[in-house]
Amino acid sequence: AQKVTQAQTEISVVEKEDVTLDCVYETRDTTYYLFWYKQPPSGELVFLIRRNSFDEQNEISGRYSWNFQKSTSSFNFTITASQVVDSAVYFCALSGEMDSSYKLIFGSGTRLLVRP
Amino acid sequence: GAVVSQHPSWVICKSGTSVKIECRSLDFQATTMFWYRQFPKQSLMLMATSNEGSKATYEQGVEKDKFLINHASLTLSTLTVTSAHPEDSSFYICSARRGAGVRTGELFFGEGSRLTVL
Repeated sequence: AQKVTQAQTEISVVEKEDVTLDCVYETRDTTYYLFWYKQPPSGELVFLIRRNSFDEQNEISGRYSWNFQKSTSSFNFTITASQVVDSAVYFCALSGEMDSSYKLIFGSGTRLLVRP
Repeated sequence: GAVVSQHPSWVICKSGTSVKIECRSLDFQATTMFWYRQFPKQSLMLMATSNEGSKATYEQGVEKDKFLINHASLTLSTLTVTSAHPEDSSFYICSARRGAGVRTGELFFGEGSRLTVL
């Protein structure tokens, strides 16, 4: 069975603060893929990153960075110097190779509010 | 980038009527599409996997007779909510895969369709 847990339901920060969104996953697959999506109030999902299970290198993209730790089954997402436009719901998701359809299983999401 | 379009973006209907939502991949062929449902302030729950030319695979607890899925072409999948009731009011999102798998393919999401059943 596959499962994604985002324990933080809501986070509120003041602009320019750094914030980390946690994601813990469960899977029996040896090859799997992890994703982060942003869902602004408009509802459309915005793809942020995809990481495969063999690549534990951390990634940085502008103000965004991701920390993949297989030992703790976590794939955390950090926004540095947060901005009001970062306010959205962020979803972590998992897809495993054993399921031939590679369907995406989403976590419950973390609502981030960045206050001016 | 690839575009997946859903239509309509929002629909209001009376209880007991049927509503069809279309999901189109505009610039690529998608052998597999997925339908998700999202209730307010909740996560996306996978409803079914739609494969072109074959029957959809439904997730546990999803009524296949109520949520009819048709994937008649490589660029179009439709979700029909039959005899809709207020509890079916939700945000329905489709995604389409370009390529054969996650290794080589990417998932693209539509903009979602908001259904309100009165």
